[in-house]
Amino acid sequence: RKEVEQDPGPFNVPEGATVAFNCTYSNSASQSFFWYRQDCRKEPKLLMSVYSSGNEDGRFTAQLNRASQYISLLIRDSKLSDSATYLCVVNSGNQFYFGTGTSLTVIP
Amino acid sequence: GAVVSQHPSWVICKSGTSVKIECRSLDFQATTMFWYRQFPKQSLMLMATSNEGSKATYEQGVEKDKFLINHASLTLSTLTVTSAHPEDSSFYICSATEGAESYGYTFGSGTRLTVV
Repeated sequence: RKEVEQDPGPFNVPEGATVAFNCTYSNSASQSFFWYRQDCRKEPKLLMSVYSSGNEDGRFTAQLNRASQYISLLIRDSKLSDSATYLCVVNSGNQFYFGTGTSLTVIP
Repeated sequence: GAVVSQHPSWVICKSGTSVKIECRSLDFQATTMFWYRQFPKQSLMLMATSNEGSKATYEQGVEKDKFLINHASLTLSTLTVTSAHPEDSSFYICSATEGAESYGYTFGSGTRLTVV
């Protein structure tokens, strides 16, 4: 079983839509969780860390469910500039595991 | 914020030659750096974990004699692809952390290697 599983998509949504991505992880001892954004042929950039209590940054909301071992990312009011691949990342000890990424395209 | 500088950004080399990629943490000390490889339309794959002053830890299936990693200081790690072949053509990215995991990991800008 993969350490991190993520639906690759693609997700094609109209501008203004709300879209949610989920990601599951296998190691219950995982300690830190992140969402990264990767534009085509570029390096991943940290979008936000995911805290147990859930956290919000503008139009982006991240949540962690330790009992079910998944993290989620909600994007409200999608913009064209949100089109990218979103990677969930889980840290267990000194190991750093990536999901395969979910491709999002926001359509005018 | 933390910045990781990676050079070169892209390189084209002949089959059989070696290529060195540098990864520097500019404003913080990184005891651990990570090297990843990404083939087209695939996820980032961890190649090795580079620890300052000690041997790198390689992931299963990654040839340590082919991908030489040196982490000689707290701000510099290098990856050398020895005797490169066309199948080594890929996007190589390094990352490092300031230490607190909640900061996440900062990535270099990546190196696109094309072996002809």
